[in-house]
Amino acid sequence: DAKTTQPNSMESNEEEPVHLPCNHSTISGTDYIHWYRQLPSQGPEYVIHGLTSNVNNRMASLAIAEDRKSSTLILHRATLRDAAVYYCTAINAGGTSYGKLTFGQGTILTVHP
Amino acid sequence: NAGVTQTPKFRILKIGQSMTLQCTQDMNHNYMYWYRQDPGMGLKLIYYSVGAGITDKGEVPNGYNVSRSTTEDFPLRLELAAPSQTSVYFCASSYSHISSSEAFFGQGTRLTVV
Repeated sequence: DAKTTQPNSMESNEEEPVHLPCNHSTISGTDYIHWYRQLPSQGPEYVIHGLTSNVNNRMASLAIAEDRKSSTLILHRATLRDAAVYYCTAINAGGTSYGKLTFGQGTILTVHP
Repeated sequence: NAGVTQTPKFRILKIGQSMTLQCTQDMNHNYMYWYRQDPGMGLKLIYYSVGAGITDKGEVPNGYNVSRSTTEDFPLRLELAAPSQTSVYFCASSYSHISSSEAFFGQGTRLTVV
């Protein structure tokens, strides 16, 4: 499985954009890049995922580098409810990886009013 | 839509006791998973299922058992509880393989074994 590296923490002000980076230099061609977030005492929540192209959904955007060795989660206008631990992970589409969702330490995002 | 529902939310067990953690989903997902999350750590896969009647071991299956008699339910059984099983347990489901699909998580069961 590709190892991911994220900054331990980041801070943002409310209503400003936030760019959360993730390095996954050992990613393979069949690894999907996923982002989840987790609020205290809650289960992880899916944010977005992609393979090669940039992706947008109602929550965020995912920008994937051309060589796929890094990606950036973009929250366009941070709100206080976006304060959470954000996990970047690479999940292989191969048959032996069912359910294997490996989270590293993640990035603790603090949003200031 | 209720999504993924886990019960109970909290439980304290004595060493050697057994219990079943319940998990049900109403999204008609074929894939279901059980994870544990220790304090400050990531997720570890205990068991998973790709459909009713089919289950398989994950990374840390020892001390646990599962069954999948229906699409909706995926209970996790702890036999002979040990302090090492103190953790937060999450059940999750997805429509297809987790690599290309969104996983939905329950709120978790916080288990303490004393």
